[in-house]
Formats: sequence, C-alpha cells, structure tokens
Amino acid sequence: AQSVTQLGSHVSVSEGALVLLRCNYSSSVPPYLFWYVQYPNQGLQLLLKYTTGATLVKGINGFEAEFKKSETSFHLTKPSAHMSDAAEYFCAVSDQGGSEKLVFGKGTKLTVNP
Amino acid sequence: DSGVTQTPKHLITATGQRVTLRCSPRSGDLSVYWYQQSLDQGLQFLIQYYNGEERAKGNILERFSAQQFPDLHSELNLSSLELGDSALYFCASSVAISGVGEQYFGPGTRLTVT
Repeated sequence: AQSVTQLGSHVSVSEGALVLLRCNYSSSVPPYLFWYVQYPNQGLQLLLKYTTGATLVKGINGFEAEFKKSETSFHLTKPSAHMSDAAEYFCAVSDQGGSEKLVFGKGTKLTVNP
Repeated sequence: DSGVTQTPKHLITATGQRVTLRCSPRSGDLSVYWYQQSLDQGLQFLIQYYNGEERAKGNILERFSAQQFPDLHSELNLSSLELGDSALYFCASSVAISGVGEQYFGPGTRLTVT
C-alpha cells in the first residue's frame, strides 16, 4: 500500500528565507507525486506534479520539487518565502498502475514571519 | 477558482440524521472523487466515479453512499450521522480516468454534526 510521510506538521520561516517542506513516500510501483496547497477556508490547489521524465519539477508561485527515487523523497522548495505562501501544504501519491485515488500526507502548515 | 462547485458550503445537523452533499465537476471532466478531511484522519479518499460508474473505493463507511448522474454531477449521501462524521468533505474532478491527470478540488462542504 502506498503512503506518504511529511516531516514536520509546522514549519516557520522568515520572509525571504528558503522554504523546504519534506515528503517521503512509500510505493511498490513507480509513483506519480503531487504537492497541493490549501489556503484557509479554501480547497486544494495543485502546485506541481511528477509523473515521468525530468526529476526536477517546477510549479506555480516559484515552487519546485525534486523526485529522488533512491531516497523515496519529493521535497518541496522555494528559494525565497513570501508572506502569501503561508498555507498548509500536502504531498500526495498515486501509482502508475492506474489507481485513481490520491493518498495524502498529514500536511505541513507553513508560517511566514515578517 | 477551480471550476468545481460544491453545495452547500456549510451544513449543521444532528446525530442520526441524513444529509446530501452535491458536487458539479469542471466542464468536460468525467471523473469525480470524494475526500474527507478531518483533524484526526487527515485527507482520506472516499470514492470515485467515472462517467456514471463507480471506479474506485476507499475508506468509505457503509452509512455513506454516492452516485454520479448523467449530467456528471455527483452526490454524497451520509446517513445515521455520528459526531465523528464532522469534517470537511471535498469533491475533486479530473478529465482522466486514472490518477495521471490533475485533480481539481472544490471549496468543500463543512459538515458539523451536533
């Protein structure tokens, strides 16, 4: 069964600092990996996804993530945090075999301090 | 705006009651997914429909059921409600049958069972 572990339920950074949100996955088959963001009182919005090909994936709002098969990781980064990045971030996995469901991590709440 | 609509936005009801949550997918999307988000369980996949047919099932209780209509909107029915059913219920849609495609999430229905 697939699973996702997000290290750190809360991460706090200063405005302008590097954002690093960690995600490790477990999958018996090559996975599809996703990062979603949830702003307060809103639904989830897709930031980026990895399916096949280039392991460094660029998403919206300056975020990127790197798929590292050997480390079973898909960490999300942004070089310089902005106040508007404050939200909850979810890593998710689905398998290439056609399993439709997304398995989500518990989420990481990002706080950006001025 | 993801293009996925959910009604109602908020629902407050008593234990033992039955409620229906409604979802309209993005124009052209054939797949509809239902997820439950709660503080203790996080985001969990409930069920998926594709073009009117049940496609995949997750951690959906027997008291819960769903369907997708010919116009592709979907309804999630929750019966014999318990306090623990209080959660945010998200609908998502995608054009693809599998998890390869991005899932677009609606704003959610917040259910409070008293």
